[in-house]
Amino acid sequence: GAVVSQHPSWVICKSGTSVKIECRSLDFQATTMFWYRQFPKQSLMLMATSNEGSKATYEQGVEKDKFLINHASLTLSTLTVTSAHPEDSSFYICSVIGGLYEQYFGPGTRLTVT
Amino acid sequence: AQSVTQLDSQVPVFEEAPVELRCNYSSSVSVYLFWYVQYPNQGLQLLLKYLSGSTLVKGINGFEAEFNKSQTSFHLRKPSVHISDTAEYFCAVRTSGGGADGLTFGKGTHLIIQP
Repeated sequence: GAVVSQHPSWVICKSGTSVKIECRSLDFQATTMFWYRQFPKQSLMLMATSNEGSKATYEQGVEKDKFLINHASLTLSTLTVTSAHPEDSSFYICSVIGGLYEQYFGPGTRLTVT
Repeated sequence: AQSVTQLDSQVPVFEEAPVELRCNYSSSVSVYLFWYVQYPNQGLQLLLKYLSGSTLVKGINGFEAEFNKSQTSFHLRKPSVHISDTAEYFCAVRTSGGGADGLTFGKGTHLIIQP
């Protein structure tokens, strides 16, 4: 399957600042990537679908101006959390669509906003 | 829209005993079904998937699952668990057919293997 990396694995930022999370498909050209959010002891919630060369599609209730997604190439999608607040603290996970409707997940990025 | 219910948030099992993790789904359209495992501080790994065909699906690490359309269930089973199976298990669905749809996940079941 596809190998997906995320950077950083853990980031701490101050309230009001912005933080960028990278998702890379290391061995697979991904026209579509997904961004999920996982709160402690809870499930993954789909935030948005990232499409290479076009605007991301956001799920209902997700603020597109707060969670900026850029899918500039077939191997890189970035998620920028703007003006972060403590309630944005979470585990952010990206995934890539592989063959036969499989999704390959990155290891996740833990964001802590102080 | 679809939803996934994993009734058991935590399942303790003795080593070498069998285990079943339950998953029920709700959807107005046909779906594909998946089980993922998440080890501590790691990403999700696909255990198995049901797309079509035989309702009994075999996956990695000795796991299998059975799709039951009438009961809208996709329970995960293993006849004999090992300490290394301790992890969080997620059931997920997506609509069948083409298109790039994200997954809808259940809340997860924490499988705890006791020696």
